[in-house]
Amino acid sequence: ETGVTQSPTHLIKTRGQQVTLRCSSQSGHNTVSWYQQALGQGPQFIFQYYREEENGRGNFPPRFSGLQFPNYSSELNVNALELDDSALYLCASSATTGRNEKLFFGSGTQLSVL
Amino acid sequence: DQQVKQNSPSLSVQEGRISILNCDYTNSMFDYFLWYKKYPAEGPTFLISISSIKDKNEDGRFTVFLNKSAKHLSLHIVPSQPGDSAVYFCAVPYGGATNKLIFGTGTLLAVQP
Repeated sequence: ETGVTQSPTHLIKTRGQQVTLRCSSQSGHNTVSWYQQALGQGPQFIFQYYREEENGRGNFPPRFSGLQFPNYSSELNVNALELDDSALYLCASSATTGRNEKLFFGSGTQLSVL
Repeated sequence: DQQVKQNSPSLSVQEGRISILNCDYTNSMFDYFLWYKKYPAEGPTFLISISSIKDKNEDGRFTVFLNKSAKHLSLHIVPSQPGDSAVYFCAVPYGGATNKLIFGTGTLLAVQP
């Protein structure tokens, strides 16, 4: 069974640029969620995708957008990068959107915005 | 507005002793609580959960206690082992779904050999 994988592991960008982060969900999982973890904080929910549709969004501006593909892999896109976007971005997958589903996280992408 | 609070950023205990990690929440409507553990350079992993219909849930060395009147939960690790050194997050479901979570800020546990 393949776990959640994210790429790249580290990324350095300049303010104003755009970035795309990628995630492959765990085998058999059709739901992918993205979280932002700033330094010293807990992960914050960005949004979730279920069967290629957005299924809930946290308090993040529209310049944070995502996609889910038919194979359930996902992308997180951030436009017009700001310094405060520097954080660890975590992808998590789960089998469904049900009540008792657990999240399985990837190791994250560390984004630095200079 | 922090809905889930972990007021201790760090905790250090001796191997073999008890570790107690605390978490407070603000919304009395929360009815399910989870703990995740995170090692450096890894994603968080699920540790243990508790429903509000219980006041205690145990899994091996890990026990979570829930005090609904105080809106407080705690994670007890007995006995603590050096491999337990990690950041521990408490979390509650966002909109009722346990795969959308609101996390606390975390507590860094260091277990000294």
